[in-house]
Parts: sequence; C-alpha cells; structure tokens
Amino acid sequence: DVVMTQSPLSLPVTLGQPASISCRSSHSLVSSDGNTYLSWFQQRPGQSPRRLIYKVSNRDSGVPDRFSGSGSGTDFTLKISRVEAEDVGVYYCMEGTYWWTFGQGTKVEIK
Amino acid sequence: EVQLVESGGGLVQPGGSLRLSCTGSGFTFSNYEMNWVRQAPGKGLERVSYITASGDIINYADSVKGRFTIARDNAKNSVYLQMNSLRAEDTAIYYCAAFHDYWGQGTLVTVSS
Repeated sequence: DVVMTQSPLSLPVTLGQPASISCRSSHSLVSSDGNTYLSWFQQRPGQSPRRLIYKVSNRDSGVPDRFSGSGSGTDFTLKISRVEAEDVGVYYCMEGTYWWTFGQGTKVEIK
Repeated sequence: EVQLVESGGGLVQPGGSLRLSCTGSGFTFSNYEMNWVRQAPGKGLERVSYITASGDIINYADSVKGRFTIARDNAKNSVYLQMNSLRAEDTAIYYCAAFHDYWGQGTLVTVSS
C-alpha cells in the first residue's frame, strides 16, 4: 500500500509570512500515462475538503495565486507565499495514481 | 452552482445498517466518477468506495469490503452507499465527491450502542 507522509504536522505561521508543507510518497506517483496524480486539499474548520492543486502544480479555479505546488516522483511541496487569516485549517496531500491515499494532514495556524 | 447533498446519516447500533444518499446538481453528474470519503472524528480522510461514471467499475477500501455497497442512478443524479454490519470504527462524517473536483458537506454516521 502507498503511504503518504506529511511534515510538519503542525505549522504555526505569522500573518504575511511564507509557509511550506512537505509530502512524501512511499511509491513513485508517476502513472503509466505519464501524469503524476498528486493533489492538495484545504479543510477549513467545520468545512468539507476543498481541492487547491491537482497534478502536482495545477491550481484550481478560484484558488489564490499565493498557493503553489511543486515536486516530482515521490517528493512534493505546497507553498503559501504569504499566509492570510483565511488560510487557517488542515492541509492534505493525496495520491490518485494508485487509489486515493491521503497524508495525515498539516494543521496551519496563526502565531 | 455546483452542489452535492448527502443524507441518510444517523445513530445506529453495532451490526446495524444505514443507506447514505448523495444528490448532485450544477454539473453533468453522469460524466463523473463518484466517491465516498469518510473522516472519523478528529482524524484524517479515507476513501471508502468509488464507482465510475457508467457504473461499470466499482471498488472498495479493504476496511469496508464485503460490508458496504456503492450504486448510482444517473437519471436521478444520485449515488448511494449501503452500509451493513456497521462497527464502531465506521463512525465518521461521510462525504460524497465528484471525482475530487466537488465535495458535499457530509453526513455524520455514529455507530454506538
């Protein structure tokens, strides 16, 4: 089974400062079709998950451009260039190459 | 506006059954693989089951295989999850998702005596 490991699990950030979340997969996420199915989700308190990024680096419609995704193979990163108050929540990476396996989640909070 | 609305959750005793429903609107439901994803209280996300757009392929997480059954009715823009032999560890919010593009608000299932 694929294991997705996120770090850190807790991320206190000062407003306006950058934040970065790492996600590592136990298996390469490059699919037989050549695509890499790695997505990032945001879950604000009391809300359902919302996809931010798909196929590593593609931002969903309506997602602020301060969010960016990068990586390849087994190592991926979500970056927030300048954290805003509305970014508070839990962020999950998810592989879609094999099944849908989510990371444990990273809780972003304001210092 | 895209909407996915789940229903059918509630309190059930161990060994009991529940049937969850999810109805979509604002998008072409019949084009989408539909998924059920659950989240135990204070925990992360776990995909439970999916069914392809035409319904020809279905799959389940090992944790629910043999107990849960997914089905869809494209004429009603709906997907269902029949949950039998429920266990305490099935307690969770159950979300339906259209691929992973659109998500509902979830319905809470509590398995307890």
